[in-house]
Amino acid sequence: DVKVTQSSRYLVKRTGEKVFLECVQDMDHENMFWYRQDPGLGLRLIYFSYDVKMKEKGDIPEGYSVSREKKERFSLILESASTNQTSMYLCASSRTGFANTGELFFGEGSRLTVL
Amino acid sequence: DAKTTQPPSMDCAEGRAANLPCNHSTISGNEYVYWYRQIHSQGPQYIIHGLKNNETNEMASLIITEDRKSSTLILPHATLRDTAVYYCIVRVATNAGKSTFGDGTTLTVKP
Repeated sequence: DVKVTQSSRYLVKRTGEKVFLECVQDMDHENMFWYRQDPGLGLRLIYFSYDVKMKEKGDIPEGYSVSREKKERFSLILESASTNQTSMYLCASSRTGFANTGELFFGEGSRLTVL
Repeated sequence: DAKTTQPPSMDCAEGRAANLPCNHSTISGNEYVYWYRQIHSQGPQYIIHGLKNNETNEMASLIITEDRKSSTLILPHATLRDTAVYYCIVRVATNAGKSTFGDGTTLTVKP
């Protein structure tokens, strides 16, 4: 079974802490994405990456950074966590090129609470 | 991405077909219709997608009207495990990451 794995399902952090959310996919996908999901706001794209070491800002990048050193791994970093970053974070991946049919494959999500 | 409109909620009896509608009247010629679902506290799961023709896979069928302005996702024999939020998304295939997941339809399958 193809898989997108997020390192932590639940995290509780304090305001000001640095937070790392890790995502690994085993499908050799070129594209990887980080979203956050909040009630009434749907899924909002934070950052995405089309290749190793490449990253592009999504709709709400403020307060976040990302790292993609290897094709299979895409990390989301909260440099100084704040309470308004309490949310469900979802990682996704997709193919590119000729084989691309546009499907997104999601991880189980990481629910972050910032106190 | 074209805007989509879905009913906020629907009920379905277990074992019966669940028909979930989606309106996308501003769809462009190169935009696909995708369906995902999200079971509580999990990530969204891809179900099916189509461009013009009706599609079927092991999970569901997708019926797209001839003018492509609306579509229906059909779960032929709904089970309790199909209770979830269902999202209809319209976009070009190469723009996967820009998918707009709105509020979707909350489907409740009842015994």
